[in-house]
Amino acid sequence: GAVVSQHPSRVICKSGTSVKIECRSLDFQATTMFWYRQFPKQSLMLMATSNEGSKATYEQGVEKDKFLINHASLTLSTLTVTSAHPEDSSFYICSAIRENTEAFFGQGTRLTVV
Amino acid sequence: EDQVTQSPEALRLQEGESSSLNCSYTVSGLRGLFWYRQDPGKGPEFLFTLYSAGEEKEKERLKATLTKKESFLHITAPKPEDSATYLCAVQAWNDYKLSFGAGTTVTVRA
Repeated sequence: GAVVSQHPSRVICKSGTSVKIECRSLDFQATTMFWYRQFPKQSLMLMATSNEGSKATYEQGVEKDKFLINHASLTLSTLTVTSAHPEDSSFYICSAIRENTEAFFGQGTRLTVV
Repeated sequence: EDQVTQSPEALRLQEGESSSLNCSYTVSGLRGLFWYRQDPGKGPEFLFTLYSAGEEKEKERLKATLTKKESFLHITAPKPEDSATYLCAVQAWNDYKLSFGAGTTVTVRA
């Protein structure tokens, strides 16, 4: 299957600092990528849709100034959690759309804010 | 609004005991229905995409089927390594977003 690489897999940061998470499609070009958040024992919650060359579209209730998304190329999208607080601690997952249909996911990033 | 409901929430099976997972959905025009497997602390792993009612796909011990209202994931003679959470998601014709169900956690005992 297609490969989507997410980095880092784990990160611990201090409260008030910013953290950047990268999502790369390794063997296909993705004009659309998605960012999800997952709480323990719950399903994936869509945060935003990232479109190459344009502004991201955020789901209702997601702060766009806190979760900055950049999709500068057809193979890379980044999520920056700004001024992180303990309540931002979570599992963040990206996905990339291949050939306008199939969605492949990264390995996820476990963010812990202390 | 698209809705996806998975049942049961949890399923405990003995090795070799076949069973089925259900995914009921409502969507404003289905582009595709997806099945994923997720292990703890990992991202979802793609299993199948189904596009139209009557379609079936198989991979090893897994078989996915689709009707106009639901999809089933059949696990035949499961092994302990099939233990995972299985997620169902739908994609509407006019959007690439996936709407996920809550998942079914399958535990297979040796």
